[in-house]
Amino acid sequence: AQKVTQAQTEISVVEKEDVTLDCVYETRDTTYYLFWYKQPPSGELVFLIRRNSFDEQNEISGRYSWNFQKSTSSFNFTITASQVVDSAVYFCALSVQNQGGKLIFGQGTELSVKP
Amino acid sequence: GAGVSQSPSNKVTEKGKDVELRCDPISGHTALYWYRQSLGQGLEFLIYFQGNSAPDKSGLPSDRFSAERTGGSVSTLTIQRTQQEDSAVYLCASSLRILLETQYFGPGTRLLVL
Repeated sequence: AQKVTQAQTEISVVEKEDVTLDCVYETRDTTYYLFWYKQPPSGELVFLIRRNSFDEQNEISGRYSWNFQKSTSSFNFTITASQVVDSAVYFCALSVQNQGGKLIFGQGTELSVKP
Repeated sequence: GAGVSQSPSNKVTEKGKDVELRCDPISGHTALYWYRQSLGQGLEFLIYFQGNSAPDKSGLPSDRFSAERTGGSVSTLTIQRTQQEDSAVYLCASSLRILLETQYFGPGTRLLVL
């Protein structure tokens, strides 16, 4: 069975602090993808990144960076110099090859960035 | 617009009534997914379509839930004899194909069953 765990339910930081959101996944499949989505107060899920199981290179996009480590089954997300607009619920999700692409979501981490 | 659209945005209904929720995917996307987001259960998969067929209905919580897709485009999720526990946000997503493609989500339909 597949599972995604986001142990941090809520995180509160002050603007300009760096923050890391943790994601741990479980699967026996060797081919899978990992995703991060952002859900701002407006409610719509916004795609941030997709990573396949064969590519462990870290990725940086502006203030966002992702660290994928198969050895620890983790796909962590770091926001550098956080801003108030980063306040949202962030979801990590897993999709495996033999299940039609459906997403298995973690419980989400609510990030609050205070000015 | 070019994104996934859903209607209605909000729906309030009485227990026992039937409701229909609509999803219009991104043009050209062959795969369509329905999810439900509720406080107690988080984000959970309901059903997906590849074209007009639904290979995986495993997430539908009961036989009161059904979905169809016509013309490889619009999909309708129907809930019969609604119960209070059906209250949730129903999200639709589409992707170019199935199998590990990025899914793009619509704004959701917030359903409240009184």
